[in-house]
Amino acid sequence: DTGVSQDPRHKITKRGQNVTFRCDPISEHNRLYWYRQTLGQGPEFLTYFQNEAQLEKSRLLSDRFSAERPKGSFSTLEIQRTEQGDSAMYLCASSSVALYGYTFGSGTRLTVV
Amino acid sequence: SQQGEEDPQALSIQEGENATMNCSYKTSINNLQWYRQNSGRGLVHLILIRSNEREKHSGRLRVTLDTSKKSSSLLITASRAADTASYFCATGDSNSGYALNFGKGTSLLVTP
Repeated sequence: DTGVSQDPRHKITKRGQNVTFRCDPISEHNRLYWYRQTLGQGPEFLTYFQNEAQLEKSRLLSDRFSAERPKGSFSTLEIQRTEQGDSAMYLCASSSVALYGYTFGSGTRLTVV
Repeated sequence: SQQGEEDPQALSIQEGENATMNCSYKTSINNLQWYRQNSGRGLVHLILIRSNEREKHSGRLRVTLDTSKKSSSLLITASRAADTASYFCATGDSNSGYALNFGKGTSLLVTP
């Protein structure tokens, strides 16, 4: 593994469309996190998985957002009926049980037009 | 929610100078971490300091933690142009489970 991979790097979508992002964490990391970052702000926590179990969800994660991590490997984040306010960088990170710090991916930049 | 607050918001120095960034937080923490983010990229973990530690070093980085004042500082010595980036502190606490709470960051510009 060379790190956390996110796909796509950029996504432009029309308001009302659904989008899905993928994150491939470091294989030996069982913890996976999704964060959202807007311009000039720090990352905001969205959700956390330990293996395949989604253990924590922020109240930022509205009903339009859903995340999965089938089989405890890669994860997907889906946004339904996108709104302009969803425009942001979506960051995925993973960590090991020992939590020596997160390893972040390069992010997916979403623009809703 | 964003618990950490970095100060200053922006810092401009010349190569060779030291850069100091501060972070204040609100609740009890288990650990505090510093991350660097180059423009438009993901974050890179720099250093972690646990709540029972007061100072930690890693290369040109020195981090201090004062839990009584709920504050931390990151010192970058002998800065280089490549240190130009945004720096974020992030706290882990028992209330947030496993999530880290990030501040808004300090934007550091190092000019040659």
